[in-house]
Amino acid sequence: SQTIHQWPATLVQPVGSPLSLECTVEGTSNPNLYWYRQAAGRGLQLLFYSVGIGQISSEVPQNLSASRPQDRQFILSSKKLLLSDSGFYLCAWSVPTSGRGSGELFFGEGSRLTVL
Amino acid sequence: GNSVTQMEGPVTLSEEAFLTINCTYTATGYPSLFWYVQYPGEGLQLLLKATKADDKGSNKGFEATYRKETTSFHLEKGSVQVSDSAVYFCALRLWNQGGKLIFGQGTELSVKP
Repeated sequence: SQTIHQWPATLVQPVGSPLSLECTVEGTSNPNLYWYRQAAGRGLQLLFYSVGIGQISSEVPQNLSASRPQDRQFILSSKKLLLSDSGFYLCAWSVPTSGRGSGELFFGEGSRLTVL
Repeated sequence: GNSVTQMEGPVTLSEEAFLTINCTYTATGYPSLFWYVQYPGEGLQLLLKATKADDKGSNKGFEATYRKETTSFHLEKGSVQVSDSAVYFCALRLWNQGGKLIFGQGTELSVKP
């Protein structure tokens, strides 16, 4: 069966420090991968998605970046965190859209980032 | 553009009350529609889905029907329980642009005993 792992689960970082959140998927090949952010009291905003290794699409301009160094690994990074980067970050995967499949996205447990 | 609009929360109900959470969408093409649920401190879980017009998704007593004519996908449950307290997200999925999911802003449901 497929599983998705995200870490760390909780992170407290000072303003200006770097960030690295990691997400890995097991049990599937060539998944579509996604990073979402949920700010306090708000909905879910798509940050990045990837349909293959090295292929990253950015949805909103910001000081975050994403990379996909391996087929089932998706990393969210920042060189210098801002206060506004605080939030709940969710990684998700789906089967490749060419295959349609069940259509759903499968989400990790999330990483809560607090920038002080 | 493509978007999802949900009724604002929080919604507070007594146990065994009837629930409706409204959701309407704007999309080019023919999206698939979803309801996800987020329990406190957790990630998102799929609640139900519908992939074409007039499809009805159902799970755990919740139902939603894909209404193309009104571009709606309202969530309903006949009798809510305290354990249904969570945030509910309506979403649409486009089959281009990497198959990304576009979410509504979420509706918090609180069920009191």
